[in-house]
Amino acid sequence: AQSVTQLDSQVPVFEEAPVELRCNYSSSVSVYLFWYVQYPNQGLQLLLKYLSGSTLVKGINGFEAEFNKSQTSFHLRKPSVHISDTAEYFCAVSANDMRFGAGTRLTVKP
Amino acid sequence: DAGVIQSPRHEVTEMGQEVTLRCKPISGHDYLFWYRQTMMRGLELLIYFNNNVPIDDSGMPEDRFSAKMPNASFSTLKIQPSEPRDSAVYFCASSFRRQPQHFGDGTRLSIL
Repeated sequence: AQSVTQLDSQVPVFEEAPVELRCNYSSSVSVYLFWYVQYPNQGLQLLLKYLSGSTLVKGINGFEAEFNKSQTSFHLRKPSVHISDTAEYFCAVSANDMRFGAGTRLTVKP
Repeated sequence: DAGVIQSPRHEVTEMGQEVTLRCKPISGHDYLFWYRQTMMRGLELLIYFNNNVPIDDSGMPEDRFSAKMPNASFSTLKIQPSEPRDSAVYFCASSFRRQPQHFGDGTRLSIL
C-alpha cells in the first residue's frame, strides 16, 4: 500500500515571498501524484497532477510541483504568494487507491 | 458541467437519530469515495465504490455507519444511531478510473 507524508503541518509566510510545501510518498508500484487545495468551508480542489512525462508540473494559480522519483518527493512551490493563497494544501498519491497526506496549512501574512 | 453534488450542506440533529447523507457523482465517473474530515484526524477515507460495488470499507468507523450505491448516479452514507463524536464534515468525491478525484462541497454534520 502507498502512503503520503506532508512534512510541515503549518507554513507561515509573508506576501510575495516564495514558498515550498513538502510531500514525500512511498509505494511499491508506479504512482500518480496530486496536490489539492482546500479553502475554508469548501471541498478539495485539484491544483495539479503528475501522471507521466515531464517531472515539472504546472498547475493553477501559479503553483508548480516537481516529481523526484529517486527521493520519492513531490514538493509544491510558488515563487510569490498572495494573501488569497491562504488555505490547506493536501498531497495525494494514487496507486491501487488514493491516499491523502495530513495537510499543510499555508498562512500568507501581509 | 455539474460537479459532485452533496446534500444536505448542513445537518444538525440530536444524538441517537438516524442521519442520511446523499451524493450525486459526476456523470460517467466510475469511482465514488466517502471521506470524513475533522480537526483531530484530518481527512479520512471511509469507503469507496467502483461501478457501484463497495471495494474497500476498512475506513468505516463502526457498524453504525453504512453506505450504499444503488446506481451510478446516487450514493448514501447513513449513521444510525448518531453520536456527538460523529460530528465532522463529510465529503463525497468521484473520479474516472485513476484520474483526479472531484470533490463535493461537503456536508457539515453536528450531533448534539
